[in-house]
Amino acid sequence: GIQVEQSPPDLILQEGANSTLRCNFSDSVNNLQWFHQNPWGQLINLFYIPSGTKQNGRLSATTVATERYSLLYISSSQTTDSGVYFCAVTSRNSGNTPLVFGKGTRLSVIA
Amino acid sequence: EADIYQTPRYLVIGTGKKITLECSQTMGHDKMYWYQQDPGMELHLIHYSYGVNSTEKGDLSSESTVSRIRTEHFPLTLESARPSHTSQYLCASSEGDRGRIFSEAFFGQGTRLTVV
Repeated sequence: GIQVEQSPPDLILQEGANSTLRCNFSDSVNNLQWFHQNPWGQLINLFYIPSGTKQNGRLSATTVATERYSLLYISSSQTTDSGVYFCAVTSRNSGNTPLVFGKGTRLSVIA
Repeated sequence: EADIYQTPRYLVIGTGKKITLECSQTMGHDKMYWYQQDPGMELHLIHYSYGVNSTEKGDLSSESTVSRIRTEHFPLTLESARPSHTSQYLCASSEGDRGRIFSEAFFGQGTRLTVV
């Protein structure tokens, strides 16, 4: 099945810094989502972005489907941005199975 | 905004007990899923459904079972809980066409299960 790799696995930032999280995937996709998992374990939808670029406040995401990667940008980070960021995809070629998740990037923003 | 609900949020139960984790959504989504997640780790798909009377096993072997009798309801049952079942269970749903394309998924708040 499709493989999803996220980098870096861990990231520590000073409040106010910018960061880029990367998601590589091994096959063509028809769905790609970015999630933020808060300390209570809930998954918050950030972007549904199988291709192109989207922005929402301090966050933006770009997916280059032909090159099989997606980037999540966080600008002017805040302590509330801390948590785990997951990328998840559905494969176009593997029987259209539900979302396959990467291992996540654990972000800690320090005041 | 997504409306998908899981109960209970937290459950501590003894070994050997039968438990059912509830998941309901009010969005009329055809597709529903259950994922299992150990603390700080990735999510693994354990069950999914394309619609009423449809259930499929996911990638992670699980001793749980599911049913889909109504569109809005997708409960997960453990016939005999064991300490190895201790984990977080996350339910999700998505709409899409009547085929098997999965569109944007929305997650419930999760159930943290501890089996002692």
